[in-house]
Amino acid sequence: GEDVEQSLFLSVREGDSSVINCTYTDSSSTYLYWYKQEPGAGLQLLTYIFSNMDMKQDQRLTVLLNKKDKHLSLRIADTQTGDSAIYFCAESNSGNTGKLIFGQGTTLQVKP
Amino acid sequence: DAGVTQSPTHLIKTRGQHVTLRCSPISGHKSVSWYQQVLGQGPQFIFQYYEKEERGRGNFPDRFSARQFPNYSSELNVNALLLGDSALYLCASSQRTGVLNEKLFFGSGTQLSVL
Repeated sequence: GEDVEQSLFLSVREGDSSVINCTYTDSSSTYLYWYKQEPGAGLQLLTYIFSNMDMKQDQRLTVLLNKKDKHLSLRIADTQTGDSAIYFCAESNSGNTGKLIFGQGTTLQVKP
Repeated sequence: DAGVTQSPTHLIKTRGQHVTLRCSPISGHKSVSWYQQVLGQGPQFIFQYYEKEERGRGNFPDRFSARQFPNYSSELNVNALLLGDSALYLCASSQRTGVLNEKLFFGSGTQLSVL
């Protein structure tokens, strides 16, 4: 079946790098996404990676994908207090692009 | 351009009642998806509609229904509310469906509390 798992909490100091990890089970996953949710808000798409890629960099964000181990990570360089939020990993396959399978979210706490 | 708009933002109902939640997609987007997010969990897929037709349904009981209108806005209806239906209901829109890497844009959600 489809399942996405994340660690629940991460605390870092401002200026450090943050690494948020995610594992998934669906080997037919086509795209993998990272969303950010701030308190009282909806989900903001941060970045995504196609399943035939190993890495994608977008400014302070780096996504690494290990397809063999079905492991995805999001690295945030120079983490700021404004990065404090819940981060969700999600997967989709080509069968239904309106349907994403989300992890339970990782709360990132950035201390000044 | 306005993003995805949802109404109302907050709602309080009692068990057994029925509720209607509304969503307006981004202009030009023809697909709307609905998600339920229970506190402390990730969003769960409920429905997708494209060009007024249901294109996908998640593992939710028949008490949940939805429809999409000619202007692509959508309603989610929940009948016979249970305490466990208390959640943030998110609407997401995209331009199309069935296309790889079709990005979903989410609204801020409707917070439903069932007492």
